[in-house]
Amino acid sequence: DAGVIQSPRHEVTEMGQEVTLRCKPISGHNSLFWYRQTMMRGLELLIYFNNNVPIDDSGMPEDRFSAKMPNASFSTLKIQPSEPRDSAVYFCASGRDRGNTIYFGEGSWLTVV
Amino acid sequence: AQKITQTQPGMFVQEKEAVTLDCTYDTSDQSYGLFWYKQPSSGEMIFLIYQGSYDEQNATEGRYSLNFQKARKSANLVISASQLGDSAMYFCAMREGYSSASKIIFGSGTRLSIRP
Repeated sequence: DAGVIQSPRHEVTEMGQEVTLRCKPISGHNSLFWYRQTMMRGLELLIYFNNNVPIDDSGMPEDRFSAKMPNASFSTLKIQPSEPRDSAVYFCASGRDRGNTIYFGEGSWLTVV
Repeated sequence: AQKITQTQPGMFVQEKEAVTLDCTYDTSDQSYGLFWYKQPSSGEMIFLIYQGSYDEQNATEGRYSLNFQKARKSANLVISASQLGDSAMYFCAMREGYSSASKIIFGSGTRLSIRP
């Protein structure tokens, strides 16, 4: 069974550009989480979905960030416009109801210069 | 509000010794789950072990065990017979409730270094 798939793995972009990160959860999983990891702030939960519906987006840092899950097999996290302080590793993770874990993708390493 | 605390930023342990990584949590929910993940230098997040709040026995997975003390709200990870490959960041995490509609939050992590 394929794991959580994230793309791109690495992205370097200029300040002000739009960045779109993509995630394909594990088939059959009904929850999806977006996390951001930095040295200063650790692993922060940005937003999570259940059955494609956003449940809690209180972790989204500001209006420049948005996330969608148009169907059970795809989600995007968009940053527009990007800023250098957005540089981080962005993880997507998925899980299923009453499951005892969530599975992480390999992360998208974003650098904004 | 739920909260996870890992008070050990870093630890050094001699190879083959056992090591305990501390984790305390705070929640008002009676139903919750506790997780431990390992993050090696390559960056991936690897699930290690899970403990449900109603589980009567401590969870074990190979060399990993979870010392669950509900009254003290602690869920320490014990690694027996440590190996060089255990050097990594370790994160404790918690989910309130058992539904997939519940959020999962992580502690700040402990960097474990194993000395040969």
